[in-house]
Amino acid sequence: RKEVEQDPGPFNVPEGATVAFNCTYSNSASQSFFWYRQDCRKEPKLLMSVYSSGNEDGRFTAQLNRASQYISLLIRDSKLSDSATYLCVVTLSWGKLQFGAGTQVVVTP
Amino acid sequence: DAMVIQNPRYQVTQFGKPVTLSCSQTLNHNVMYWYQQKSSQAPKLLFHYYDKDFNNEADTPDNFQSRRPNTSFCFLDIRSPGLGDAAMYLCATSTLRAGGQRNEQFFGPGTRLTVL
Repeated sequence: RKEVEQDPGPFNVPEGATVAFNCTYSNSASQSFFWYRQDCRKEPKLLMSVYSSGNEDGRFTAQLNRASQYISLLIRDSKLSDSATYLCVVTLSWGKLQFGAGTQVVVTP
Repeated sequence: DAMVIQNPRYQVTQFGKPVTLSCSQTLNHNVMYWYQQKSSQAPKLLFHYYDKDFNNEADTPDNFQSRRPNTSFCFLDIRSPGLGDAAMYLCATSTLRAGGQRNEQFFGPGTRLTVL
C-alpha cells in the first residue's frame, strides 16, 4: 500500500462549480499535511497547509480527518486557472515529505 | 525576491556521460533537498542536506551523488546517466528545525534531463 494515495482523476469541472477530492495516508504518526499545486511541467508550489481544525484560504478549504486518516481539498467557484495537478503531502519522520502522485483537475469553460 | 534557482532548466546528455545539475537559494534555508520526478508520478526524494549533514535515501542509486559547498548551493551529480534517469530534477529548501515536523518546502523550477 502506498503511503499517500490520491485519485489521479482527471476531475472535469465546469467553471464556477465546486470540486472536492480526498487523499488517504497510512502513517498514523504523521503530524503535518499540505496541499501543493503543480502545473504541467512546472515545480510544485505550496497551496496551503492543513491544520487539525481545518482551514480556509479564499476559495480553497482543507480538512483533516485523523481518525480515518484522510485529508481533503475543496475548491469553490472554480476558475480556469485552477486547472492543475494537486499533490497531497504528508510529513513523515524528521520532517520528510511523502508526496501523493496527484489529482488532476481540469476546469472547463 | 528570495527564491530557489536551478540551472540549467533543460539538460541533454548522452548515455553514460556525467552531468551536474545545480541549485542555489537566497532564502537562507538550512535544509536542501533533491527530488526526482517522472511523468505522472510523485516527486521522489533522493537525498537531503540538513545544514552540512548529508542524508541519502536508502533506495537512491549510487549513480547519484550530491555536494553542498555552502549554505546557498547544492549540486546533483549523475555519474553515468542511463535512459531511466531521464526525469525532472527538483531542488527544494526548508527551514526544518531539530525535532520539528512542520516542513514547508519551497521548490525551484526544476531541471528537465534528457538522456540520449
